[in-house]
Amino acid sequence: GNSVTQMEGPVTLSEEAFLTINCTYTATGYPSLFWYVQYPGEGLQLLLKATKADDKGSNKGFEATYRKETTSFHLEKGSVQVSDSAVYFCALTDTGTASKLTFGTGTRLQVTL
Amino acid sequence: DAGVTQSPTHLIKTRGQHVTLRCSPISGHKSVSWYQQVLGQGPQFIFQYYEKEERGRGNFPDRFSARQFPNYSSELNVNALLLGDSALYLCASSLDRGSYNEQFFGPGTRLTVL
Repeated sequence: GNSVTQMEGPVTLSEEAFLTINCTYTATGYPSLFWYVQYPGEGLQLLLKATKADDKGSNKGFEATYRKETTSFHLEKGSVQVSDSAVYFCALTDTGTASKLTFGTGTRLQVTL
Repeated sequence: DAGVTQSPTHLIKTRGQHVTLRCSPISGHKSVSWYQQVLGQGPQFIFQYYEKEERGRGNFPDRFSARQFPNYSSELNVNALLLGDSALYLCASSLDRGSYNEQFFGPGTRLTVL
């Protein structure tokens, strides 16, 4: 079956540091890949997505590239801010008619001044 | 425009009781999905409903059921509550049922089972 593995947190960084959160996946078909963010006390928000190999998703300074050869979708940001502190989830949907999202366990990011 | 709304925000129940959670999708969205998020874990897929019919089901027992109404709102029902059902229940809506459709999540209902 489908699965998503992401690096365990928490990740603690100083403001303006470079961020990488690793994500690898297993899927039977041709998945679409997503990063969602969950701020404290809130629901999930879509951060970025990529629907085919070599696509790069980007939003709010965050980027992730769909790497089929390494089955990875690592999240990066060149300079994090305190306001980026949240839990980040990597997820996929596989081909088919259902919109089932399979999530990783989440990575908590804490950014300090 | 209003996003996905869920009610209630918080709920406390005791073991063996029944609970009903409600979700209103974004206007124009026809698909609603339900997810369970246990503390410290990623959300787990429970159901997807599209045009009032179940289109997908996750690995959850028959105590979990759901339905979708003609206005596309949805209810999630859980019978015979267990302590392990304590979680954040998230509803997501999308325009259509396909895997390419972006899903928009509501704020969730926090269920505590004592």
